[in-house]
Amino acid sequence: QKEVEQNSGPLSVPEGAIASLNCTYSDRVSQSFFWYRQYSGKSPELIMSIYSNGDKEDGRFTAQLNKASQYVSLLIRDSQPSDSATYLCAVYSGNTPLVFGKGTRLSVIA
Amino acid sequence: DGGITQSPKYLFRKEGQNVTLSCEQNLNHDAMYWYRQDPGQGLRLIYYSQIVNDFQKGDIAEGYSVSREKKESFPLTVTSAQKNPTAFYLCASSMRDRGLTEAFFGQGTRLTVV
Repeated sequence: QKEVEQNSGPLSVPEGAIASLNCTYSDRVSQSFFWYRQYSGKSPELIMSIYSNGDKEDGRFTAQLNKASQYVSLLIRDSQPSDSATYLCAVYSGNTPLVFGKGTRLSVIA
Repeated sequence: DGGITQSPKYLFRKEGQNVTLSCEQNLNHDAMYWYRQDPGQGLRLIYYSQIVNDFQKGDIAEGYSVSREKKESFPLTVTSAQKNPTAFYLCASSMRDRGLTEAFFGQGTRLTVV
C-alpha cells in the first residue's frame, strides 16, 4: 500500500523564522509531489508542485525533492502568523488518485 | 469563474436517512474524487472517476455510492449503511493521466448526523 508520512506536529516557529516541513513516501515510482495548505474548517489549497529532483522556489515557499531518499520538503521563509495552518503532502504515482499524508500543523507565533 | 462547487456547505442527516452531496466542476477536468476528512485526520479516498460512466472504489467506499453521468458532475450519496457519516466531505478534480496532474478542491460539505 502506498504511504505518505508526515510529522503531525504541531510545529511552532517564531514570526520571521524559516519553517521546515517534511514528508516521506513509500512508492519508488512516484512521479509528482504536491503541497497543500489547509486552514481550519476550510478545504485544501494547492501551494506548490514539484516533479524533478532539486529545489523549486515560489515567493516565500521552496519545495525540495530527493527521489533517491523518497523525501520531499517544504520551506517557508519569513514565516507569518497567516501561515499557521495544516500542510498536506500529496504524491502522484500514475493513473491512481493522489495519496495524502495526514498533514503537519504549523503554528507561527507573533 | 472556473472552479469546483460543492453543495450544501452544511448538511444534517437523521439516522437511517440517505443524503446526497453535490459536486460540480467547470474546469473541463476528466477525473473527479471524493475524500472524507475526520477531525485531526488526513484525507481518505471514498470513490473516484476518471471518465464518464465509470468509477472506482477508494479505501473507504462502504456505505457510499456515486454516479458519473456527466463530465461536470459527481454526486456522492451517503447511505444508511454508513454507520458513522459525520465528517467533512471534499470533492476534487484533476486532468486525467497527464503524468503531472494536481487536484483542486471544492469548499467542502460538513455532514452531521442528528
